[in-house]
Amino acid sequence: GAGVSQSPRYKVAKRGQDVALRCDPISGHVSLFWYQQALGQGPEFLTYFQNEAQLDKSGLPSDRFFAERPEGSVSTLKIQRTQQEDSAVYLCASSPGTGGKNEQFFGPGTRLTVL
Amino acid sequence: DAKTTQPNSMESNEEEPVHLPCNHSTISGTDYIHWYRQLPSQGPEYVIHGLTSNVNNRMASLAIAEDRKSSTLILHRATLRDAAVYYCILRATGNQFYFGTGTSLTVIP
Repeated sequence: GAGVSQSPRYKVAKRGQDVALRCDPISGHVSLFWYQQALGQGPEFLTYFQNEAQLDKSGLPSDRFFAERPEGSVSTLKIQRTQQEDSAVYLCASSPGTGGKNEQFFGPGTRLTVL
Repeated sequence: DAKTTQPNSMESNEEEPVHLPCNHSTISGTDYIHWYRQLPSQGPEYVIHGLTSNVNNRMASLAIAEDRKSSTLILHRATLRDAAVYYCILRATGNQFYFGTGTSLTVIP
């Protein structure tokens, strides 16, 4: 069975460019999370989807960040007009349920470098 | 949201047990205690979770204090592959995992 996959694995962008990061969760998983991990830090929550509904976007650092999951499966995190401070690893995780006992399954992450 | 406190780093000799502590003094009654670990250049990986009772699985054991204000992840025999950053996380029926900075475990051969 396939786990969570993310693409691209590495992305280099020039400052000001727009980028789109893709997450393919485990089939049938209701919950999907995006995290941002700066070098040497723990992952920080960005946003949460329950099926296609974005229920929490409180962690998105600015209005340049936008996420969607239109059919309740694949999700895309888009960053507009990238800045150097956006350089980080972006992690996606999915979970089969919505309760606190459900574990999250993480993808390998996309490493974004903004020059 | 309840937060956790962990030592920044720990060392263990290979094939010896490792006890990784976590303090969560503001835990609420509905918070599950989760442990994840992250190997270099990989996404976090689930290790174990519990609510009130001690838990065992093939990877580790989780010992939860009676007042639930602290817990300990126990690796029974550390191997070199267990070298990772270990995160203790509280989660209720909510959306967010707060990872903190975790404990970096070094295993000495």
